[in-house]
Amino acid sequence: DIQLTQSPSFLSASVGDRVTITCRASQGISSYLAWYQQKPGKAPKLLIYAASTLQSGVPSRFSGSGSGTEFTLTISSLQPEDFATYYCQQLNSYPRGVTFGPGTKVDIK
Amino acid sequence: QVQLVQSGAEVKKPGASVKVSCKASGYTFTSYGISWVRQAPGQGLEWMGWISAYNGNTNYAQKLQGRVTMTTDTSTSTAYMELRSLRSDDTAVYYCARDGETEFDYWGQGTLVTVSS
Repeated sequence: DIQLTQSPSFLSASVGDRVTITCRASQGISSYLAWYQQKPGKAPKLLIYAASTLQSGVPSRFSGSGSGTEFTLTISSLQPEDFATYYCQQLNSYPRGVTFGPGTKVDIK
Repeated sequence: QVQLVQSGAEVKKPGASVKVSCKASGYTFTSYGISWVRQAPGQGLEWMGWISAYNGNTNYAQKLQGRVTMTTDTSTSTAYMELRSLRSDDTAVYYCARDGETEFDYWGQGTLVTVSS
C-alpha cells in the first residue's frame, strides 16, 4: 500500500505569510494527488486535484505542484479563513484505492 | 447544484450494525462513484471504500474487509454504507463523497456514529 507523509504536521503562521506544505508518497504516484482543507466540524473541501489543477471557486492564492513522490501545496498570502487542517490524498484508478496523508494543521501565530 | 445529503446521527451498541445513507442530487448519479471516508474524534481522514454507481463494483479498504458493505439504489440516487460488528473504535463521523477518479469534489455533511455500551 502507498503511504503518504506530510510535513510539517503543525504550522504556526501569520496573516499574509507564504505557507508551503509538503506531501511525500512511499512510491511514485504520477500526478494522482489532491489537496483538501478541513475546518472543525465541517466536511473536507477540495482545493487542488491532479497535483496542480485548482478546483473551481478556490482562490488563486492556493497552488499545487509536484509529481512522482513529492508534492507541495502553497498558500501565497495566508488569509484569516485559511486557518484549518490540510490533507493530501493519493488515488489509484484500478482497483480503486485511496490514501490520505496525516494532515497539517495551520494555526494563527 | 450537486448535493449529497446523509442520514442522521446514530448510537449503537458494540456488536451491532449501522447503515448510513447518502442521497445524491444535481448530477447524473450513475456517472460517478461514491467513496466513503470516516474520521474518528480528533483524528485524520480514513478512506473506507468505493462503489461504482454505474455497475455496483466495489473496493474496500483492507482493514474493513468482511465488515463493510457498500450498495447503491439508482432508482433513488442513494448510496448506502453498512458496517457490522461495531466496536468502540468505529466511533467516528462518516462521510460520503462523489468520487471523480482524480478527486472527491463533493462531500456529504457527515454522519456521527457513536458506538457505546
